[in-house]
Amino acid sequence: KAGVTQTPRYLIKTRGQQVTLSCSPISGHRSVSWYQQTPGQGLQFLFEYFSETQRNKGNFPGRFSGRQFSNSRSEMNVSTLELGDSALYLCASSLGGSGRAKNEQFFGPGTRLTVL
Amino acid sequence: AQSVTQLGSHVSVSEGALVLLRCNYSSSVPPYLFWYVQYPNQGLQLLLKYTTGATLVKGINGFEAEFKKSETSFHLTKPSAHMSDAAEYFCAVSASGGGADGLTFGKGTHLIIQP
Repeated sequence: KAGVTQTPRYLIKTRGQQVTLSCSPISGHRSVSWYQQTPGQGLQFLFEYFSETQRNKGNFPGRFSGRQFSNSRSEMNVSTLELGDSALYLCASSLGGSGRAKNEQFFGPGTRLTVL
Repeated sequence: AQSVTQLGSHVSVSEGALVLLRCNYSSSVPPYLFWYVQYPNQGLQLLLKYTTGATLVKGINGFEAEFKKSETSFHLTKPSAHMSDAAEYFCAVSASGGGADGLTFGKGTHLIIQP
């Protein structure tokens, strides 16, 4: 079974631009979560989607948004990029729903975003 | 709310020596606890997890961790370090196992293996 895939793997943008990152979960997984990883702040939860609905959101400004499609693929968008948005963005998928085993998260390789 | 503290941003051990990475957590509800490993330019790989039941949890690559509620700890150990264990290790906590609530991570511990 294929793992979580993220595209693109590397991205360079300039301040003020916007960017869209894509995540394809493991087949059959309905929950997708996004995390930001930076040297200063570490790993921080951005948001989680399940069956096309955002169920939870971390403490990030409204410039960070996401969506999930009917096939469970997810995209996250960052508008008006700032230098501080440079980070590794990780996507994780899980079966979702109730039950502990269904929430085990499997991570993709990440998208490295550099803002110049 | 949950939080995780990993003691030591860098830990150096000799090959063949005991590996001990420390993790303390804070949680207002019974926690789910995880250890992940990250190799350079890669995502996170789950090493082991504690949900309920047995407090000594065995994971992949010879790692294990013990959940100690009284000490709010979940330290990661491996009896004999191997060069391939060199990586970044993250302890994480969740109220629901990582689904809708997301995972709260520690700052990470960089494990260095000396030959």
